[in-house]
Amino acid sequence: EPEVTQTPSHQVTQMGQEVILRCVPISNHLYFYWYRQILGQKVEFLVSFYNNEISEKSEIFDDQFSVERPDGSNFTLKIRSTKLEDSAMYFCASSGGSGSYNEQFFGPGTRLTVL
Amino acid sequence: GQNIDQPTEMTATEGAIVQINCTYQTSGFNGLFWYQQHAGEAPTFLSYNVLDGLEEKGRFSSFLSRSKGYSYLLLKELQMKDSASYLCAVLNSGGYQKVTFGTGTKLQVIP
Repeated sequence: EPEVTQTPSHQVTQMGQEVILRCVPISNHLYFYWYRQILGQKVEFLVSFYNNEISEKSEIFDDQFSVERPDGSNFTLKIRSTKLEDSAMYFCASSGGSGSYNEQFFGPGTRLTVL
Repeated sequence: GQNIDQPTEMTATEGAIVQINCTYQTSGFNGLFWYQQHAGEAPTFLSYNVLDGLEEKGRFSSFLSRSKGYSYLLLKELQMKDSASYLCAVLNSGGYQKVTFGTGTKLQVIP
């Protein structure tokens, strides 16, 4: 069964450093997303991406964040200058394939720890 | 604005039935999801309702009333492995595929 994959599973970085989180969505999906979940809190929408551009973003997704689909398979989230409060689980998701069009399939997540 | 309410915690007995409620007030609505999330893991899809009524899928059923801004997830024949958080999430309208999650209901199944 096709699945969303994410790398790395755990990333530790120093405050102020740049990080890139990587995702490979399901191949025939059209919409891609990033969510984050701070430990013990709810899942929060960051951004959705369609047709090679951002379709919607939340207030969390400020100038420190960017997304890119550099090739036909990868989808990345970059945080330019990490802050302590960026420590969270980051989930990539994709949707828009055949079958249930709106169902979002989540990847296993990347745990980001900012020291 | 967006407001999604669900109980914080529930406890139920193995083999029993439990209903997890969700009420929502959102600026746009294009359907409601239920996800299951085990601790430390990603959410996994359970159901999607866009029309009023009950959708049944094995031991899990989901109900939606758009006029009341209300949904519930019904879990039958509870198993210990059903202990998890259950997330209610609203798909906003407009075709941009933004999903707003509730805080989740942590369900504990006891023997």
